[in-house]
Amino acid sequence: GQNIDQPTEMTATEGAIVQINCTYQTSGFNGLFWYQQHAGEAPTFLSYNVLDGLEEKGRFSSFLSRSKGYSYLLLKELQMKDSASYLCAVMDSNYQLIWGAGTKLIIKP
Amino acid sequence: IAGITQAPTSQILAAGRRMTLRCTQDMRHNAMYWYRQDLGLGLRLIHYSNTAGTTGKGEVPDGYSVSRANTDDFPLTLASAVPSQTSVYFCASSEATGEMDEQFFGPGTRLTVL
Repeated sequence: GQNIDQPTEMTATEGAIVQINCTYQTSGFNGLFWYQQHAGEAPTFLSYNVLDGLEEKGRFSSFLSRSKGYSYLLLKELQMKDSASYLCAVMDSNYQLIWGAGTKLIIKP
Repeated sequence: IAGITQAPTSQILAAGRRMTLRCTQDMRHNAMYWYRQDLGLGLRLIHYSNTAGTTGKGEVPDGYSVSRANTDDFPLTLASAVPSQTSVYFCASSEATGEMDEQFFGPGTRLTVL
């Protein structure tokens, strides 16, 4: 079967750095996406990785290792507005997204 | 402002009733999707459409039907609602169905079936 694993919840302090991990087992791989979802709102796109390595976009970076079936999202200089759920999704061989349950990130002042 | 709209925002429905959730996008995207999101679970694909005139089944299609008569609209119909269909439903679209095509999401419809 296909499976995406992420921690259910994480807590971090304003101004700090946090790393959210995602491991996956899917039938085929056509890229990995990270989305942000604030409570009661729609998911919004953060990043896309298809090759191994780190993609940096401002305060957010995403890393991929295809051989390990592993990705992480790194958030730097945390702000209160970063409190949200972070969803990891893998595009499988049929170009359909398989979603993890999401990691709820709580930022404390 | 370009984007995706969904209606209604929320709905309480008696079991056995028929319901259509509406979704419209103005980005001229080819592909559209319907997901349901339940607490503790990832988004699950119900149905999708790669282009106008075609539809396909996702992971959890039973009890739902869709149509894609034109590029902009992708309604989701529950023929006879059951309590297990209580969920938040998101419509999404992407330019195509290949790699790198991020999906854009509508605001969601919160459906309660009693």
